[in-house]
Amino acid sequence: GESVGLHLPTLSVQEGDNSIINCAYSNSASDYFIWYKQESGKGPQFIIDIRSNMDKRQGQRVTVLLNKTVKHLSLQIAATQPGDSAVYFCAENMSTNAGKSTFGDGTTLTVKP
Amino acid sequence: SAVISQKPSRDICQRGTSLTIQCQVDSQVTMMFWYRQQPGQSLTLIATANQGSEATYESGFVIDKFPISRPNLTFSTLTVSNMSPEDSSIYLCSVDSGWGGYTFGSGTRLTVV
Repeated sequence: GESVGLHLPTLSVQEGDNSIINCAYSNSASDYFIWYKQESGKGPQFIIDIRSNMDKRQGQRVTVLLNKTVKHLSLQIAATQPGDSAVYFCAENMSTNAGKSTFGDGTTLTVKP
Repeated sequence: SAVISQKPSRDICQRGTSLTIQCQVDSQVTMMFWYRQQPGQSLTLIATANQGSEATYESGFVIDKFPISRPNLTFSTLTVSNMSPEDSSIYLCSVDSGWGGYTFGSGTRLTVV
């Protein structure tokens, strides 16, 4: 798999490889984090979330890692498929400010067959 | 999770005119959120709409430019007033999915000429 730096706008991987998308968040008071996938012409679609009392959460083919010390979030996609090609956004939230998500800049993932 | 119907899906408008965007949710929700996504960029929260009270606007967004209505618990409108080319963006509504993250409409792609 290929890992981007702290934040790069694009990531290109070969089908079947693992992808790692990184995100730096800004507010140390944020306690709820969400990864979204946005395909062309559609709204963001929920992938996985994690609360600040956890440092790892796994879903189907996806894993989110949270490092509160350095305010860093990552999304790992296993066995990346062409259908995973999209823009990925992280979003940070505070429980006390429910619904007010602050979105990261987004990473465009391209999966080469 | 909630299903959102947003319309129009796209429009091309003359500068100086106004466009009203509608979001219909298939279940009752307390808060609805309106976002703007400028071309190639991330999402920025415009305002939070609660039924029975005035919308709460984020810094940089004002009611005169983006009036919002929330007549009931399943419906909201956002109007983009006195449009200029700088208002060309995708406008999205979202609601709490109830089980994780937020559900977004498919967006309204606005082009102002």
